[in-house]
Amino acid sequence: KAGVTQTPRYLIKTRGQQVTLSCSPISGHRSVSWYQQTPGQGLQFLFEYFSETQRNKGNFPGRFSGRQFSNSRSEMNVSTLELGDSALYLCASSIRDTYGYTFGSGTRLTVV
Amino acid sequence: KQEVTQIPAALSVPEGENLVLNCSFTDSAIYNLQWFRQDPGKGLTSLLLIQSSQREQTSGRLNASLDKSSGRSTLYIAASQPGDSATYLCAVRFTISGGGADGLTFGKGTHLIIQP
Repeated sequence: KAGVTQTPRYLIKTRGQQVTLSCSPISGHRSVSWYQQTPGQGLQFLFEYFSETQRNKGNFPGRFSGRQFSNSRSEMNVSTLELGDSALYLCASSIRDTYGYTFGSGTRLTVV
Repeated sequence: KQEVTQIPAALSVPEGENLVLNCSFTDSAIYNLQWFRQDPGKGLTSLLLIQSSQREQTSGRLNASLDKSSGRSTLYIAASQPGDSATYLCAVRFTISGGGADGLTFGKGTHLIIQP
């Protein structure tokens, strides 16, 4: 059974650019969430999608956005990148609320 | 603001010891609580999930307890091994208005080293 797949694994971008990260959940999982992990702030919730609708959102600026497709795959986009956006971005999927989350290996984004 | 705190931040013990990791949260209105481990540079591996209505869950040498009234959870690791060395993260899903659940709120983790 395939796990949560995130692509790419590593990215280097220049300040001011935009970036799109991709997440393929476990087959049958309809909920996809995104998290940012930094040494200073730890893991922080970005947003959650369920059946193509954003269900919850964390406290991040509007430069961070996401979407979910009909096959449950999800993308997150960060526009006008800042140095502080350098982080490990983790995607997690769940079959339903009463089940736990399964996380992917993450995308390491470096902004220079 | 809903927060999750983990104590201690770091712990180093000899192999074979039993140990307890602590997690506290500021709001008793939780949906469920999940313990993860994270190895350096890797994603998160789920260890145990405790629903709001449960008091504890067990998996192998791991046992997690939940006390909503006091806002606490503990992760007990029996007979620790060097392979248990990792960062252990406590994550809480708080309930939101309408009966739904928010995204996970994480503690900062406990960095555990098991000495051979």
